[in-house]
Amino acid sequence: KAGVTQTPRYLIKTRGQQVTLSCSPISGHRSVSWYQQTPGQGLQFLFEYFSETQRNKGNFPGRFSGRQFSNSRSEMNVSTLELGDSALYLCASSQIGGSTDTQYFGPGTRLTVL
Amino acid sequence: AQSVTQLGSHVSVSEGALVLLRCNYSSSVPPYLFWYVQYPNQGLQLLLKYTSAATLVKGINGFEAEFKKSETSFHLTKPSAHMSDAAEYFCAVRASTSGTYKYIFGTGTRLKVLA
Repeated sequence: KAGVTQTPRYLIKTRGQQVTLSCSPISGHRSVSWYQQTPGQGLQFLFEYFSETQRNKGNFPGRFSGRQFSNSRSEMNVSTLELGDSALYLCASSQIGGSTDTQYFGPGTRLTVL
Repeated sequence: AQSVTQLGSHVSVSEGALVLLRCNYSSSVPPYLFWYVQYPNQGLQLLLKYTSAATLVKGINGFEAEFKKSETSFHLTKPSAHMSDAAEYFCAVRASTSGTYKYIFGTGTRLKVLA
């Protein structure tokens, strides 16, 4: 079974631009979560989607948004990029995001904002 | 609120020596705990998980962890370090939020293996 895939793997943008990251979960997984990883803040939870609905949200500004499609693929969008948005963005999928689930992570998208 | 604390942001061991990475948790309910490993420029890979069955959990690559409720700990160990174990290790707890779940990660421990 193929793992979680994320595209693109690397991205360079300038301040003020917007960016869209994509995540394809493991086949059969319906829950997709997004995390931001930075050296200073570690791994921080952004949001979780299940059945095309945002089910959980972390403490990030509204510039960070996401969506999930009927095939469980998810996209994350960051508008009006700031230098501090430079990070590794990780996507994780699980079957239903329930109490017995385990999250499996993709390789991440490294975003650099200049 | 549930949380995890990893003691020691950097740990160095000699090749062949015991690896011990520390994780303490805070939870008002029986926790589900995880250890993940991250190699440079890669995502997180699940090493092992505790889901309230056996307290000694065996994972991949020779790692294991023991859940100790009295000490609120879930330390990760490996009897003999290998150069390929050099990576960053994250402890995580699954937290319940209004019937849904999210993962809370520790700040990570970078393991260095010396030849």
